[in-house]
Amino acid sequence: SQTIHQWPATLVQPVGSPLSLECTVEGTSNPNLYWYRQAAGRGLQLLFYSIGIDQISSEVPQNLSASRPQDRQFILSSKKLLLSDSGFYLCAWSVQPGGGTEAFFGQGTRLTVV
Amino acid sequence: GESVGLHLPTLSVQEGDNSIINCAYSNSASDYFIWYKQESGKGPQFIIDIRSNMDKRQGQRVTVLLNKTVKHLSLQIAATQPGDSAVYFCAENHNNYGQNFVFGPGTRLSVLP
Repeated sequence: SQTIHQWPATLVQPVGSPLSLECTVEGTSNPNLYWYRQAAGRGLQLLFYSIGIDQISSEVPQNLSASRPQDRQFILSSKKLLLSDSGFYLCAWSVQPGGGTEAFFGQGTRLTVV
Repeated sequence: GESVGLHLPTLSVQEGDNSIINCAYSNSASDYFIWYKQESGKGPQFIIDIRSNMDKRQGQRVTVLLNKTVKHLSLQIAATQPGDSAVYFCAENHNNYGQNFVFGPGTRLSVLP
């Protein structure tokens, strides 16, 4: 069966420090991968999605970047965190081709920038 | 587009009653819809889905209704239990979005004892 792992579960980082959140998927190949951010009490905002290795699309301009060095690995990064980067970050995957299948979410990383 | 800037509406329901959570979607060409449940501090979990060639689909204690005419989706939970307390999101999907899902703003369901 397929599983998605996301870590760390919680993270407290000072303003200006770098960030690296990692997500890996097991049990499937060539998945679509997604990074979402969720502010407290709000909906899901798509940050990045990827349809293959080194193929990343950014949905909103921001202080973050994403990379996909391997088929089932998706990394969210920042060189210098801002206070506004605080939030709940969710990684998700879905089956390709796109459309018509659900997305499966990881357990999320709660990031607090202080 | 994504309604990520809105505070979550809340629905309070007495334990044992039925719950109805509504969602309006944006793209009349969307052909696949999903309901997710998100408990506090966790990632969203798939509940039920429906394709645009259907107007109703039933699962265990849950029913999804799709009204394409008015672009409306609803989730009905029968005999609501305390464990149903969570935030519920609808999502739409279409090839026009590439590989993406567009999520609704979410509804917080509170089950009262």
